Amino acid sequence: DADVTQTPRNRITKTGKRIMLECSQTKGHDRMYWYRQDPGLGLRLIYYSFDVKDINKGEISDGYSVSRQAQAKFSLSLESAIPNQTALYFCATSDPGRTGEKLFFGSGTQLSVL
Amino acid sequence: RKEVEQDPGPFNVPEGATVAFNCTYSNSASQSFFWYRQDCRKEPKLLMSVYSSGNEDGRFTAQLNRASQYISLLIRDSKLSDSATYLCVVSNAGNNRKLIWGLGTSLAVNP
Repeated sequence: DADVTQTPRNRITKTGKRIMLECSQTKGHDRMYWYRQDPGLGLRLIYYSFDVKDINKGEISDGYSVSRQAQAKFSLSLESAIPNQTALYFCATSDPGRTGEKLFFGSGTQLSVL
Repeated sequence: RKEVEQDPGPFNVPEGATVAFNCTYSNSASQSFFWYRQDCRKEPKLLMSVYSSGNEDGRFTAQLNRASQYISLLIRDSKLSDSATYLCVVSNAGNNRKLIWGLGTSLAVNP
């Protein structure tokens, strides 16, 4: 079983629709992250959370929001999807106390906005 | 100048070859350095951390040159299964230890 699970794996939606991507983890890590990956642009951080009451913007948070419902769950929302949000999205976790800065990624969600 | 730069490749090498990748970083205060491996459309996975004295893990050797601000990854006796994109990652100083990702170097090992 995957330690970091993302749902859905693939999603096609239309411009203007609200979309939620979900991430859950069984690793017991406090820190969770959302990244997007685009060809030629690499991995870019959208939001991150160091515990349930902590939410921080990353480098490209505009157009996105997040919710840390529990230690194990961190969801990413696109309130009104636009085509340039088409990308591969990754959730990740870390635990500096045990594994330093190593990130553990989910399998990714390919989102296409038409 | 990008904060972390890598030659995108692709590097095409035969099985058994030795191949080396370099990665340069712009922030001299960078604290930690990593190589991740990413297969096509899959998640990145940590290959190895890079330590100041250099470190080796089987066929893989990582080195850090702080004076010239680059890290390197050497792969010996390349296997077909080494074909992937190798991502250089640098962690900056400060409380948040922000990770800066390179765009990756593509490696294809051919039979």
